[in-house]
Amino acid sequence: EADIYQTPRYLVIGTGKKITLECSQTMGHDKMYWYQQDPGMELHLIHYSYGVNSTEKGDLSSESTVSRIRTEHFPLTLESARPSHTSQYLCASGWSATNEKLFFGSGTQLSVL
Amino acid sequence: SQQGEEDPQALSIQEGENATMNCSYKTSINNLQWYRQNSGRGLVHLILIRSNEREKHSGRLRVTLDTSKKSSSLLITASRAADTASYFCATDTGGAQKLVFGQGTRLTINP
Repeated sequence: EADIYQTPRYLVIGTGKKITLECSQTMGHDKMYWYQQDPGMELHLIHYSYGVNSTEKGDLSSESTVSRIRTEHFPLTLESARPSHTSQYLCASGWSATNEKLFFGSGTQLSVL
Repeated sequence: SQQGEEDPQALSIQEGENATMNCSYKTSINNLQWYRQNSGRGLVHLILIRSNEREKHSGRLRVTLDTSKKSSSLLITASRAADTASYFCATDTGGAQKLVFGQGTRLTINP
């Protein structure tokens, strides 16, 4: 089993609220990713990081922001949630040297009312 | 446009039968990976095949890669109810974002 954890598992909030989705891994991986996935659909990369103080936007435009102050922690923040942000958010990590396997968290299912 | 496209989008078979899923991609790759996702959960890595390999086995899984056709297939033999999940291919194109995922095949194994 992967040692990568996401909290909360489920989140229901009202429009306009600020939220932070947490992601932590204990494997010392330098690469970390955030994907957005609607039910039964493909994964869309929204943010990634190759190490501390490194963050990049992915191929799907997102109003969220991320930070990477510590190797093991890669939180995602929405300053003002909207119903269009309702989705599943998946965090993943891996080694940049090999790029041969990603470990995924169990995801956060976000519902914005 | 997506790098990886999977076929079929959904597959339903009886327990004990073999399941085959296909993945096509557009650009050259370093490797191709298959992942499984149970409903409402994260993805789990199953198997990786490099661009210079043609076939790979892992337990009941068999993966083939045809770089001339830019396609791969995943075969699950002697399927079980626990194999019910979505299966995604992911390609490593060597770009900055590294892995690009297909849209997945939803596999249902009927007891």
